[in-house]
Amino acid sequence: NAGVTQTPKFQVLKTGQSMTLQCAQDMNHEYMSWYRQDPGMGLRLIHYSVGAGITDQGEVPNGYNVSRSTTEDFPLRLLSAAPSQTSVYFCASKGQGYNEQFFGPGTRLTVL
Amino acid sequence: AQSVTQLDSQVPVFEEAPVELRCNYSSSVSVYLFWYVQYPNQGLQLLLKYLSGSTLVESINGFEAEFNKSQTSFHLRKPSVHISDTAEYFCAVSVPSGGYNKLIFGAGTRLAVHP
Repeated sequence: NAGVTQTPKFQVLKTGQSMTLQCAQDMNHEYMSWYRQDPGMGLRLIHYSVGAGITDQGEVPNGYNVSRSTTEDFPLRLLSAAPSQTSVYFCASKGQGYNEQFFGPGTRLTVL
Repeated sequence: AQSVTQLDSQVPVFEEAPVELRCNYSSSVSVYLFWYVQYPNQGLQLLLKYLSGSTLVESINGFEAEFNKSQTSFHLRKPSVHISDTAEYFCAVSVPSGGYNKLIFGAGTRLAVHP
C-alpha cells in the first residue's frame, strides 16, 4: 500500500492564481481531511469528509474548496491564492472505527 | 471548546539525557490523546496514543506518555534520548464531532538533541 499520497510536493503561485492540491489514499478509508501547518500554530483543520459525497468545514475553511467524488481522492482547491495561504498542507485519512489518522508527506505552498 | 497546550516550543537536550515534553488539554468530554512526531521535511507519524485502559502508554522506540485525568495532562518522556530523536513533536486530542473525531493539535515542541 502506498498509504496517503500528495502531489505536488512543492508549488509556487502568484496572488490570484488558482490550483488544486491532490490527495489520494489506497486504504479504503472513509474519513479524509486537510490540514495546514504554520510555525507556532500546529496543524489546523481546513476541511474534512466522512465519505464520498460528504464534506464539511473545519477550523480554517475560508479560501478553500473541497469535493469527494470517490473514496480514494480528496482534492483541495484554492480558487484565488493569497499570501496568507503560504503554508505546508497535509492530507490525512482514517478508517471507520479507528482513531489513528494517517498523514501524507505534505505539500509546501508559497504564494507570492 | 477543546484545546491543547504544549508548554515548551523548544527543548534542547544532550544525547543520553532524559527528556519530558509537556502537554495539557482542556475538554469537557472524554477524549483520546495522541503524540505525533515530524522528522525534518517529512509528514507526521503516530508515536503513541491513549484510548482507554492503562494510563501509561509506550512507543516502540522508548518514548512513553502518561494520561493524567485530574491534571488533564499527557506528558511525553524518554529516559535517554538519541540524536535521531531530533524532531518536532505534536500532542493532539480527538473529540467526537458529528461522527467524525476531529483532531486538535498543540503548537508543537521542537526537540533538539545535541552530542
